[in-house]
Amino acid sequence: GAVVSQHPSWVICKSGTSVKIECRSLDFQATTMFWYRQFPKQSLMLMATSNEGSKATYEQGVEKDKFLINHASLTLSTLTVTSAHPEDSSFYICSARDLGRMNNSPLHFGNGTRLTVT
Amino acid sequence: AQTVTQSQPEMSVQEAETVTLSCTYDTSESDYYLFWYKQPPSRQMILVIRQEAYKQQNATENRFSVNFQKAAKSFSLKISDSQLGDAAMYFCAYRSNTGKLIFGQGTTLQVKP
Repeated sequence: GAVVSQHPSWVICKSGTSVKIECRSLDFQATTMFWYRQFPKQSLMLMATSNEGSKATYEQGVEKDKFLINHASLTLSTLTVTSAHPEDSSFYICSARDLGRMNNSPLHFGNGTRLTVT
Repeated sequence: AQTVTQSQPEMSVQEAETVTLSCTYDTSESDYYLFWYKQPPSRQMILVIRQEAYKQQNATENRFSVNFQKAAKSFSLKISDSQLGDAAMYFCAYRSNTGKLIFGQGTTLQVKP
């Protein structure tokens, strides 16, 4: 079945540094990937839609200069949290849909990245 | 904009019993998809069941079934013969034509032995 790999699974960084999270579709192509953030015991909030070969589309309230998204190929999207602060500590999840399947195919999710900013 | 509402933050069910999780949504679109996802403590998102809005027949996957009421914009999940492994957080989700998923607030399901 379709697999989305997300790396790293967890990361601890110091305040002010930047962290890059990778999302790869392992056995399918995805022109579009989605990045979500989830705080403990809360829902997944869509941050942005990552589009291969073009600029990402950010949801209202999400700072595009702070959360840089790059989707350079049909199988890889990256999210960089720049100048991280403790309030950026959260669980980040990416997802993608298999282009080669029917329109009703579900999104496939990565295992998530737990970011802790100290 | 589309919204998804889950009004039950927590639910509890006895093992082997049946439980229903509620979900309502709001949209002006006529063609869309609805999903239920399960998120265990590992936080992996697991697809439970999906429903195409154009289909009147309610989707069923083994012990999981939905009650889809399009006019009422309601999409509840019924879990029959509940098992300990069903304990998790459950999210109702709406997918628009743009492909992005919008999630409800989630319902934490506890299964008592």
